[in-house]
Amino acid sequence: DQQVKQNSPSLSVQEGRISILNCDYTNSMFDYFLWYKKYPAEGPTFLISISSIKDKNEDGRFTVFLNKSAKHLSLHIVPSQPGDSAVYFCAAKAGAQKLVFGQGTRLTINP
Amino acid sequence: GAVVSQHPSWVICKSGTSVKIECRSLDFQATTMFWYRQFPKQSLMLMATSNEGSKATYEQGVEKDKFLINHASLTLSTLTVTSAHPEDSSFYICSALSGAGYSRRQFFGPGTRLTVL
Repeated sequence: DQQVKQNSPSLSVQEGRISILNCDYTNSMFDYFLWYKKYPAEGPTFLISISSIKDKNEDGRFTVFLNKSAKHLSLHIVPSQPGDSAVYFCAAKAGAQKLVFGQGTRLTINP
Repeated sequence: GAVVSQHPSWVICKSGTSVKIECRSLDFQATTMFWYRQFPKQSLMLMATSNEGSKATYEQGVEKDKFLINHASLTLSTLTVTSAHPEDSSFYICSALSGAGYSRRQFFGPGTRLTVL
């Protein structure tokens, strides 16, 4: 039972344009959501998070949007840079419960 | 930010041997660490939660006798893959919890690539 889903395994974006990565979840108890970035043969690094009491959180070029009614969150990266090329995982948790990860989306930024 | 290291970064072993992977929190103490496994192009799957000074909590379907976890100190957790077989070949990632309350955050190690021949 995949509680966190990233339906796009890959995404290709032109440098300077906006990258939008999507994530859907099924568990209505999730109250905290995170995005991680992962390079090959490395562990994930934390990017940005949002709690369920908010619908938007911004940090520099990265913005996360949360639509609780649709059980959907998205990560916007603007402008996209070549160094943003990586696999992005969304993750969710309910209270003190464990993190549940999506399958990841490979983002490629083309020069 | 908090740093988590893993050793070794990669290991190749023969089928039937045991392999130990270390996970260390370098600049903070972690009472709780996690062990994940990632197959190519798949999500990170939680294997177990490691608590300092107590037994690890394993996820459903993970054999505790095969994947031995020891969290002997506040900065070190070890995962031992016993009698490894080719199907155990994977990327193993640990993470450690830092902070308290709502600000707690997981920091991940760089991962260990295990190849069993």
